[in-house]
Amino acid sequence: NAGVTQTPKFRILKIGQSMTLQCTQDMNHNYMYWYRQDPGMGLKLIYYSVGAGITDKGEVPNGYNVSRSTTEDFPLRLELAAPSQTSVYFCASSYSPSGGVYEQFFGPGTRLTVL
Amino acid sequence: GQNIDQPTEMTATEGAIVQINCTYQTSGFNGLFWYQQHAGEAPTFLSYNVLDGLEEKGRFSSFLSRSKGYSYLLLKELQMKDSASYLCAVLDSNYQLIWGAGTKLIIKP
Repeated sequence: NAGVTQTPKFRILKIGQSMTLQCTQDMNHNYMYWYRQDPGMGLKLIYYSVGAGITDKGEVPNGYNVSRSTTEDFPLRLELAAPSQTSVYFCASSYSPSGGVYEQFFGPGTRLTVL
Repeated sequence: GQNIDQPTEMTATEGAIVQINCTYQTSGFNGLFWYQQHAGEAPTFLSYNVLDGLEEKGRFSSFLSRSKGYSYLLLKELQMKDSASYLCAVLDSNYQLIWGAGTKLIIKP
């Protein structure tokens, strides 16, 4: 199993550009998440999904969009990139049956700089 | 508001024991996680506590007191590879993880 994979690993964007961060998991997990991590700060939840076709906003969703058409994929779209979106982005997944709590597995991250 | 507090940085000596504390105030509680994150890498799961008490897993132990809103991670027989950030995260009433900023642990020979 590859686990959670993310592409690209690094990206530099100009202000106003758009891009999609890709995330794929092969563990058949129902829950998937997108976080951003700024230096010296905790992880902040951007969006999450409890299953294919269902997405919901997290703590910091502005400027981002997601979709979940399959169990495996959960892409994050940045529209009109701004310097405030410079961060490390982590995708994570977990298996969360009703009544159970399981750990989240993280991808290697995408380091995004907006200039 | 929701808040998780951890020390920013700690230093310890190889072979010693270190305790990393975490205090939390969250809307609801469905458990507390500890993750390890090496520089430039993704967080990896260490432990999960939902009941009061101590959970031991090899050199690492995690303690929880729900009444005090307090947890600690205890690392024994420290090794150089334990140099990393340690993240405390609480699962709130909506089953979302609220993350602390992490404690950077520096191990000296």
